[in-house]
Amino acid sequence: GAVVSQHPSRVICKSGTSVKIECRSLDFQATTMFWYRQFPKQSLMLMATSNEGSKATYEQGVEKDKFLINHASLTLSTLTVTSAHPEDSSFYICSASTVNTGELFFGEGSRLTVL
Amino acid sequence: AQSVTQLGSHVSVSEGALVLLRCNYSSSVPPYLFWYVQYPNQGLQLLLKYTSAATLVKGINGFEAEFKKSETSFHLTKPSAHMSDAAEYFCAVRSSFGNEKLTFGTGTRLTIIP
Repeated sequence: GAVVSQHPSRVICKSGTSVKIECRSLDFQATTMFWYRQFPKQSLMLMATSNEGSKATYEQGVEKDKFLINHASLTLSTLTVTSAHPEDSSFYICSASTVNTGELFFGEGSRLTVL
Repeated sequence: AQSVTQLGSHVSVSEGALVLLRCNYSSSVPPYLFWYVQYPNQGLQLLLKYTSAATLVKGINGFEAEFKKSETSFHLTKPSAHMSDAAEYFCAVRSSFGNEKLTFGTGTRLTIIP
């Protein structure tokens, strides 16, 4: 199957700093990528839908200025957590949709810990 | 709006026993239904999916699920549990009409008893 890679897999940062997480589709082009947030022992909550070359669509309750999403190419989307605080600590997962079939593939996830 | 409900946040079965993880869906349009597995600190791996073809869907690792419209269910089963099946399982629903957004259930943690 297609491969979606996230980097970094783990990141620890100080409160007030910004952190960027990359999501790459390694062997296919993805017109649409999705960013999810998962709290411990809970389900995935969709944060935003990212389309290549256009602004991301955020779910209700997700702060656009806090979670900046850029989808600059058909193989890369980035999530930047700005001015991170301890409550932003979470597991962030991206998924990418193939152009041809629309099938979704998930990245390995990125665990953010804000001290 | 679409939603899925997973009954039982934790399920424990003995090794070699039947695995049954329950999922009921709600959708105003024909749904696409998915089961994903998540191992600790990892992303999601697709087990199987229903996309309006055969109602009995076979997936990887010996899992299968049956779409029952009359019961709005899509339960996941495996005849004989293996220790490696211990993980978190998520049921998800998506509209069949071009909307790629997935809505996930709350997940079921499967524990295998030796």
